[in-house]
Amino acid sequence: AQRVTQPEKLLSVFKGAPVELKCNYSYSGSPELFWYVQYSRQRLQLLLRHISRESIKGFTADLNKGETSFHLKKPFAQEEDSAMYYCAPQNYGGSQGNLIFGKGTKLSVKP
Amino acid sequence: SQTIHQWPATLVQPVGSPLSLECTVEGTSNPNLYWYRQAAGRGLQLLFYSVGIGQISSEVPQNLSASRPQDRQFILSSKKLLLSDSGFYLCAWSRQPNTEAFFGQGTRLTVV
Repeated sequence: AQRVTQPEKLLSVFKGAPVELKCNYSYSGSPELFWYVQYSRQRLQLLLRHISRESIKGFTADLNKGETSFHLKKPFAQEEDSAMYYCAPQNYGGSQGNLIFGKGTKLSVKP
Repeated sequence: SQTIHQWPATLVQPVGSPLSLECTVEGTSNPNLYWYRQAAGRGLQLLFYSVGIGQISSEVPQNLSASRPQDRQFILSSKKLLLSDSGFYLCAWSRQPNTEAFFGQGTRLTVV
């Protein structure tokens, strides 16, 4: 069965500190990995996807197939990074339509 | 450009009353459509998804149902609401199965 685990419900760091939001998945095949973010009073939206190898707002995510992890990292957290973050492994190109998400991690960046 | 509309934004309903939440997508055809419930500590739970008109898949057994009467319309319903149905409901769409999802603003449902 498809499963995604975000072990931390809440992560609190100080501004300028490094941040890592953990995501582990259990998935058949080779999933594509996404991170979504929801800022206060805004819509849930895509932050970044693994296939793009991109860095968005200073965030990067490394796929470790051996550890089946896709942790989201940023070397220097900013207060505006405070938000809810969801990890989402997807069967990219597959026929099933069930987009599943982790339970989310609330990131709080303190001044 | 594509947009997704979800309404109402907030809703207070008594226990036992019916429910109908509507979601429509503009600017695209044959989208994949999703209903989620977002709850603190429980994350984003997929309730239903649809890959085409009349095709509804349910992810969890519950007091809710979904319908897709038109290509870009997705409706979440209940015949009799329970207190436990209270929550924040999100509608989303994607171009293909399991690609980037675009979310609506959500509906805050309070069952009293």
